[in-house]
Amino acid sequence: GQQVMQIPQYQHVQEGEDFTTYCNSSTTLSNIQWYKQRPGGHPVFLIQLVKSGEVKKQKRLTFQFGEAKKNSSLHITATQTTDVGTYFCAGIGGSNYKLTFGKGTLLTVNP
Amino acid sequence: DSGVTQTPKHLITATGQRVTLRCSPRSGDLSVYWYQQSLDQGLQFLIQYYNGEERAKGNILERFSAQQFPDLHSELNLSSLELGDSALYFCASSVGQGTNEKLFFGSGTQLSVL
Repeated sequence: GQQVMQIPQYQHVQEGEDFTTYCNSSTTLSNIQWYKQRPGGHPVFLIQLVKSGEVKKQKRLTFQFGEAKKNSSLHITATQTTDVGTYFCAGIGGSNYKLTFGKGTLLTVNP
Repeated sequence: DSGVTQTPKHLITATGQRVTLRCSPRSGDLSVYWYQQSLDQGLQFLIQYYNGEERAKGNILERFSAQQFPDLHSELNLSSLELGDSALYFCASSVGQGTNEKLFFGSGTQLSVL
């Protein structure tokens, strides 16, 4: 079945440092979504990428979708303590309507 | 607030018991999804309903069942509970059933099986 892998599992940074999490799928994805879950909270939708090679920005966050539509990345510039949480990628492959989540990257930020 | 309501927030029960988790989707959303979140397995897709019909099925155990009612709320039934079923169960909803749907998650039900 479709698998979505995320690395790293954990990342601890000093406030102001950059952060990147990577997502890889075993199959070609029709789209990729990113969610953020704050500690003790629920996943919250951040963005969706659909096109091959697509790049989208939200303030300090940059999202990329690979040319082959099998990988994606989320980059945060100059992290802040408010960025703390687990970042999940999720994708749907082909005609499979199951949105499969990666295991997430837990980001902690030292002030 | 995502607009998705889940009850109860916490549930403590014993092995072998049966529980029902309830979810009310956002107003206007026709799809409901159930996910199980545990520390080692991440967010596992269980099942999706669209307008009362089962749409997609994930790794849902035979001891688990779900349904979506005419008013679009959904229930997840977990029976013959085992210690390993302890997890956070999320319900999510979306407007449609397609592959580009954005999911809105509820606050979850924390299930503890003792």
